[in-house]
Amino acid sequence: NSKVIQTPRYLVKGQGQKAKMRCIPEKGHPVVFWYQQNKNNEFKFLINFQNQEVLQQIDMTEKRFSAECPSNSPCSLEIQSSEAGDSALYLCASRRGRDTEVFFGKGTRLTVV
Amino acid sequence: QQKVQQSPESLSVPEGGMASLNCTSSDRNFQYFWWYRQHSGEGPKALMSIFSDGDKKEGRFTAHLNKASLHVSLHIRDSQPSDSALYFCAASANYGNEKITFGAGTKLTIKP
Repeated sequence: NSKVIQTPRYLVKGQGQKAKMRCIPEKGHPVVFWYQQNKNNEFKFLINFQNQEVLQQIDMTEKRFSAECPSNSPCSLEIQSSEAGDSALYLCASRRGRDTEVFFGKGTRLTVV
Repeated sequence: QQKVQQSPESLSVPEGGMASLNCTSSDRNFQYFWWYRQHSGEGPKALMSIFSDGDKKEGRFTAHLNKASLHVSLHIRDSQPSDSALYFCAASANYGNEKITFGAGTKLTIKP
């Protein structure tokens, strides 16, 4: 069973509010992914890290999304000014390395009202 | 156009029957494929990986990959009600730590 811990499980924000969610990857997993899963169950890759370094990320030129994985602290994904279209399940996943399984957390369900 | 296409969108199979799910990639760079399963209220969980042409069997699950056509399938024999879930095909271009691209999923319902 996955030991990727995501908090909170549910998050409700008003439009324009900041939304922050956290992820503790499995112990010993230096690679962390963030995905957004919309109401149609479609996945959108957001960003991934190896240790504290960003490996890949979508074009966040809107600057509303930011993410970090500091050492000795949970990873986090933050939306500066939430919009209705940001309502989705945000999934964090981790893996030990190249030839290992990717484990997902249960997600944070964000609702922007 | 999605780089990973799945069919059918939904599938209903009687308990004990065979469920067959399909996936095709439109990106020839994708060489590594996975099947994930997601139950309601949970995150996805990897079922199987397949990187070589041919079949790979794990218990009641068999995956088949044809790299020439970039087609991968998942067959579930002796389907159980607990197999009812969303099934996602996922692919990546190399077996590093880069992002994995997911299909839109197949909703499988096993009828008791």
